[in-house]
Amino acid sequence: DIVLTQSPASLAVSLGQRATISCRASESVDSYGNSFMHWYQQKPGQPPKLLIYRASNLESGIPARFSGSGSRTDFTLTINPVEADDVATYYCQQSNEDPFTFGSGTKLEIK
Amino acid sequence: EVQLQQSGAELVKPGASVKLSCTASGFNIKDTYMHWVKQRPEQGLEWIGRIDPANGNTKYDPKFQGKATITADTSSNTAYLQLSSLTSEDTAVYYCARERGYGSRYFDVWGAGTTVTVSS
Repeated sequence: DIVLTQSPASLAVSLGQRATISCRASESVDSYGNSFMHWYQQKPGQPPKLLIYRASNLESGIPARFSGSGSRTDFTLTINPVEADDVATYYCQQSNEDPFTFGSGTKLEIK
Repeated sequence: EVQLQQSGAELVKPGASVKLSCTASGFNIKDTYMHWVKQRPEQGLEWIGRIDPANGNTKYDPKFQGKATITADTSSNTAYLQLSSLTSEDTAVYYCARERGYGSRYFDVWGAGTTVTVSS
């Protein structure tokens, strides 16, 4: 299985500042010119919500404050500037190989 | 509006089985894969498996082989997850999710989740 290591496990960021979350895969998640790495936001008591698909594509309706980058094994989710509504846990997910796997999550708080 | 409506919370005894449902509206489940994801209390997300409702083909994470069975009824536009021989380890929220389209391999629509509590 492809193991996804997210860091940090938690971070506190001041309003208006940048938050950066890393996701490292145990092997490449690239195929056919695409990176099969996706990012989700989950607020307490809610299902996950798709933010970024295939590493860098912003899902419709998601603010442009969210962006994704990376390829092969190293990926980053950036939120800039952070707003109060961004308090949540963020997960990366790979779908290059079965079984699909998720990172362990990064909890974002406001400093 | 595209939605996934999941069945209500379940309280089940150890050793029993339970079948959860996920009814789609606004799209036809035959047009894509449907997935199930597990989340234990205060834990992360685990992919259970998927089904192609057009032909019934399934794929599971080996961890859930023998525990989970995914089926679909295209006439009612509903996907199902059956869990067997339940233990406390199965206490979790179970989400169904739509893959955006065949081969997209990411989940753009999620159900609200069904809480399963295993307790005597």
